[in-house]
Amino acid sequence: AQSVAQPEDQVNVAEGNPLTVKCTYSVSGNPYLFWYVQYPNRGLQFLLKYITGDNLVKGSYGFEAEFNKSQTSFHLKKPSALVSDSALYFCAVRDRDTGRRALTFGSGTRLQVQP
Amino acid sequence: DGGITQSPKYLFRKEGQNVTLSCEQNLNHDAMYWYRQDPGQGLRLIYYSQIVNDFQKGDIAEGYSVSREKKESFPLTVTSAQKNPTAFYLCASSIAGAGGTDTQYFGPGTRLTVL
Repeated sequence: AQSVAQPEDQVNVAEGNPLTVKCTYSVSGNPYLFWYVQYPNRGLQFLLKYITGDNLVKGSYGFEAEFNKSQTSFHLKKPSALVSDSALYFCAVRDRDTGRRALTFGSGTRLQVQP
Repeated sequence: DGGITQSPKYLFRKEGQNVTLSCEQNLNHDAMYWYRQDPGQGLRLIYYSQIVNDFQKGDIAEGYSVSREKKESFPLTVTSAQKNPTAFYLCASSIAGAGGTDTQYFGPGTRLTVL
């Protein structure tokens, strides 16, 4: 079985400060990992994904994420937060070895960036 | 939200009624998915389809039905057997194959409320 944990329901950060949104995963094989962002009453927007290769993945809007196999983590980061980054963030995993097509999502982390 | 449309945006249903949610994509994607989103629970997979005229149950398929008669369309019917249908429903699509590395792209969602 595959699962994702996002241990923080909410993260608060001041504008201009760095932000981190945490994600840990569990798969029986090797993971494909994804981050999405959701604004109120909207669908999910893709930010970035880890497939293979470099552990540091760069994505949209200045976000990046670091894959750490030993810690089974894939934390989302941004060097300088903007008020407009305030949204709900989801981490998702797919086990590349099981053939399961669909993603398994975490419960989401709400990011609040204060001016 | 790209080339995926969902309609209606808001839907109200009386208990005992079946309702159908529309999902259309013009991305030429083979695979399509339906997720349900409840507060604090992330997204849960209802059904998915990798090819026309074929679909598989997800984790919470009971009380739902789908069809895939055209590549572009994947409607979801919420039947009266679904005991707690009030939720936000999200449709997604992706290219099939690609060894599982494909990114899912989401529509804007339909909010269903049972009166």
